[in-house]
Amino acid sequence: DAGITQSPRHKVTETGTPVTLRCHQTENHRYMYWYRQDPGHGLRLIHYSYGVKDTDKGEVSDGYSVSRSKTEDFLLTLESATSSQTSVYFCAISEQLGQAYGYTFGSGTRLTVV
Amino acid sequence: AQSVAQPEDQVNVAEGNPLTVKCTYSVSGNPYLFWYVQYPNRGLQFLLKYITGDNLVKGSYGFEAEFNKSQTSFHLKKPSALVSDSALYFCAVRDYSGNTPLVFGKGTRLSVIA
Repeated sequence: DAGITQSPRHKVTETGTPVTLRCHQTENHRYMYWYRQDPGHGLRLIHYSYGVKDTDKGEVSDGYSVSRSKTEDFLLTLESATSSQTSVYFCAISEQLGQAYGYTFGSGTRLTVV
Repeated sequence: AQSVAQPEDQVNVAEGNPLTVKCTYSVSGNPYLFWYVQYPNRGLQFLLKYITGDNLVKGSYGFEAEFNKSQTSFHLKKPSALVSDSALYFCAVRDYSGNTPLVFGKGTRLSVIA
C-alpha cells in the first residue's frame, strides 16, 4: 500500500528466537499501530505509538515490545518467539489517534514460529 | 469500553442480488464507525465511515452503510453484488469523545457466487 511498507513479508523462525518486524511510512503520520490477525479473532491491537519514543500497550501486548526512534519507523520485536505468535501482523498509520481519522494499512507480515 | 460485533462469520450471496454484512457496536458516547475490506494477501482498505449527519453513508465500489442509533448497528450494504466483492469485511468503532485506537470486529467473509 502506498506510503507504508512492512518487512519482511514472510518469515519462518524457530521457537525461542528473537524476531523483529519493521514498518516504514513515508506519510509523516504521527500515529503508528501494530495489529495481529488471527482466524476467529479478527484484528487485535498489540502496541501503538503516538510519537517518537512514545508508545502504549494494546489488547495483546504480552510477549511483544516496540520501538520508534524515528517518525517513519515502528519496530515490533518478539523477544523469544512462541508458536502462539504465529500470525499475520499488520502495521497501520493515522494522522490522529481519535476523531474521524481512519487508518492506512500495510500489506502485512506472515510470521510462522516452528 | 468500546466493542464491535459481527455476528456472521460467513455470508453467501448470488451475483446480482443485494448483500448485507451486519455490524453492531457498543460505546459509551456517540460512535465513529468504519468499514474496511481485505482482499487475499492484502492489507485492509478503507470503504466508508460514519461521523455524523445522514444515517446512510456511501463509500467505495458502490457500498453503503446505514447507521441506526437505536439498534446500535452499522450494516454494510450493496444493491447488486459482484463476484469481485468476495473478500473479508471488518467493522470498526471508536468513541466520539475518546482519543483511542480503533476497535475492530472479527470480520465477515463474503462470498459472491456467480
